[in-house]
Amino acid sequence: GQNIDQPTEMTATEGAIVQINCTYQTSGFNGLFWYQQHAGEAPTFLSYNVLDGLEEKGRFSSFLSRSKGYSYLLLKELQMKDSASYLCAVSDSNYQLIWGAGTKLIIKP
Amino acid sequence: ETGVTQTPRHLVMGMTNKKSLKCEQHLGHNAMYWYKQSAKKPLELMFVYSLEERVENNSVPSRFSPECPNSSHLFLHLHTLQPEDSALYLCASSQEDNRGYDEQYFGPGTRLTVT
Repeated sequence: GQNIDQPTEMTATEGAIVQINCTYQTSGFNGLFWYQQHAGEAPTFLSYNVLDGLEEKGRFSSFLSRSKGYSYLLLKELQMKDSASYLCAVSDSNYQLIWGAGTKLIIKP
Repeated sequence: ETGVTQTPRHLVMGMTNKKSLKCEQHLGHNAMYWYKQSAKKPLELMFVYSLEERVENNSVPSRFSPECPNSSHLFLHLHTLQPEDSALYLCASSQEDNRGYDEQYFGPGTRLTVT
């Protein structure tokens, strides 16, 4: 079967760095997405990785290792507004998105 | 503003009611999706429409009936729902070209409660 695993909840301190991991087992791979979802709002696109390595976009970076079936989202200089759920999703061989259950990130002052 | 709107934002209905959820996208995309989001569970894909044709139906119960009259509008008709159908229903759209990069734009969702 197809499976995406990510931690249910994480807590970090304002100004710090946090890494949210995602492991996947899917039938085929056509890229991995990270989305951010604030409570009561729509998920919004953060990043897309299809090749191995690190993609940096401001305070957020996303890493992919296809051989390990592993990705992480790195958030630097955490702000209170970063409190949200972070969703990992993989595009499989049919270009269908397989979603993880999301990681709820709590930022404390 | 993501360019995808959904109405209503909140809906409470009894098990014998009939209601419809509406989604509209203003992005010129050619694919639209209905998802169900339950607490602490992955997003569940319900229906996919590409160029107004339904291409995916992930074994959704018949009490959910989608309608896509054109590439900008998507409806989800609901009837005789069960309490376990209470969830957040999200609509999304994308420009589908099978290159793998298929970023989806989501609406804010309809919070449905079945009593």
